Amino acid sequence: ELKVEQNPLFLSMQEGKNYTIYCNYSTTSDRLYWYRQDPGKSLESLFVLLSNGAVKQEGRLMASLDTKARLSTLHITAAVHDLSATYFCAVSGTYKYIFGTGTRLKVLA
Amino acid sequence: NAGVMQNPRHLVRRRGQEARLRCSPMKGHSHVYWYRQLPEEGLKFMVYLQKENIIDESGMPKERFSAEFPKEGPSILRIQQVVRGDSAAYFCASSPVPHNEKLFFGSGTQLSVL
Repeated sequence: ELKVEQNPLFLSMQEGKNYTIYCNYSTTSDRLYWYRQDPGKSLESLFVLLSNGAVKQEGRLMASLDTKARLSTLHITAAVHDLSATYFCAVSGTYKYIFGTGTRLKVLA
Repeated sequence: NAGVMQNPRHLVRRRGQEARLRCSPMKGHSHVYWYRQLPEEGLKFMVYLQKENIIDESGMPKERFSAEFPKEGPSILRIQQVVRGDSAAYFCASSPVPHNEKLFFGSGTQLSVL
C-alpha cells in the first residue's frame, strides 16, 4: 500500500527565516506533487516533479525530488506571512493520488 | 473555461438522512476523484471514476457510500443514513487523462451531520 508521510506536521516560523518540509513515500513513483491549501479553501497546485533530481522554484518556494531515497523537499526561503497555509505532497499510484498528512505552516511577523 | 464545480458548498443533514454531493469536472475532463478531509487532517482518497465506470473504490466505506459518474451530468457521491462521523469536507478533483501533471480541485462540500 502506498503511503505518504510529511514532517513536520506543524511549523511555526519567524518571517525571514528558512525552513524545509519533508515528504517521504513508501513505493516507487516518479511523480511527486505539492499543493497548498488555505483555511476553508480548496487545494492549489504548486509543483509537479516528474523525474529524479527534478527541482522547481516559484518565488520563495523550491521543491526537489530524489526518487531513489523516495524523498521530496519543499524549501521555504525568507518566509513571509502570506506563505501561511497547509502544504500537502502527493504521489500518484496505479489509479489514484495519495496525499500526505499535510504540514500546517504559520509564519509569524 | 469553468473550473471544477461542486455543489452544494455547505450541506446540513440530520442523522439517518441521505446526502448527495455533486461534482462537475472541468470541460474535457473524464476522470474524477473524490477525497474526504476531516478537520485538521489530510485528504483521504475515496474513489476514482471515469465516465460510466468506477475504476478504484478502495477508499470508500463498504456500506452507505456510493459514487457514480454517468455519461451525461455530474459525478455524484451519495451517502445514505448519514452519521455524525460523516461530517467532513468532501473534495472532488478532475483530470483530462490518468496520471496527469496535476489534479484540478473543486471548492469542496462541507457536510455537517446534526
